[in-house]
Amino acid sequence: QKEVEQDPGPLSVPEGAIVSLNCTYSNSAFQYFMWYRQYSRKGPELLMYTYSSGNKEDGRFTAQVDKSSKYISLFIRDSQPSDSATYLCAVRYGYSTLTFGKGTMLLVSP
Amino acid sequence: DAMVIQNPRYQVTQFGKPVTLSCSQTLNHNVMYWYQQKSSQAPKLLFHYYDKDFNNEADTPDNFQSRRPNTSFCFLDIRSPGLGDAAMYLCATSREPDVLEQFFGPGTRLTVL
Repeated sequence: QKEVEQDPGPLSVPEGAIVSLNCTYSNSAFQYFMWYRQYSRKGPELLMYTYSSGNKEDGRFTAQVDKSSKYISLFIRDSQPSDSATYLCAVRYGYSTLTFGKGTMLLVSP
Repeated sequence: DAMVIQNPRYQVTQFGKPVTLSCSQTLNHNVMYWYQQKSSQAPKLLFHYYDKDFNNEADTPDNFQSRRPNTSFCFLDIRSPGLGDAAMYLCATSREPDVLEQFFGPGTRLTVL
């Protein structure tokens, strides 16, 4: 079983839609949960991180972690065409290195 | 602007011909990472340097080597590229190992003919 599972998509939505991106992980030792955004032909960039169960908001983005079910979500409100990218979840524990999911490709059409 | 730079952006090599990919950073970060990312796959960590200390992932093939001559530069050497080594190679940095955020370069796309 892979440590982090993520549906690769693509997920196509119209502009203005609420987007839900999800990951599951298998190791309950993971303490830190991140979302990276990767535009085409670019490296990933950190979007948000959290380390506790519950929600964390940053503008139109909300990261949600449910440690009991080992489930990570990223919600995007009022999605824009500029949000079109691949979204990768990543996890780590302590000083471990990052473990990434495969990424979900999001396409927001005008 | 402080950044992570990778050269070249696109590299074509022949089967079995050694190739070197380059990464430089102006962030003065202590940790540098090399990831391999194949199409629609998760970035896979190959190895990382914490200052001069080299840390190899257990499943990184011996065909892959790395050098970090100074803080700013890190190289990925592929001694005998196979067709399965065609991928995007991403370099990343972080200030310290316990810092969550990694800063990625744009990647080098390697094609093996």
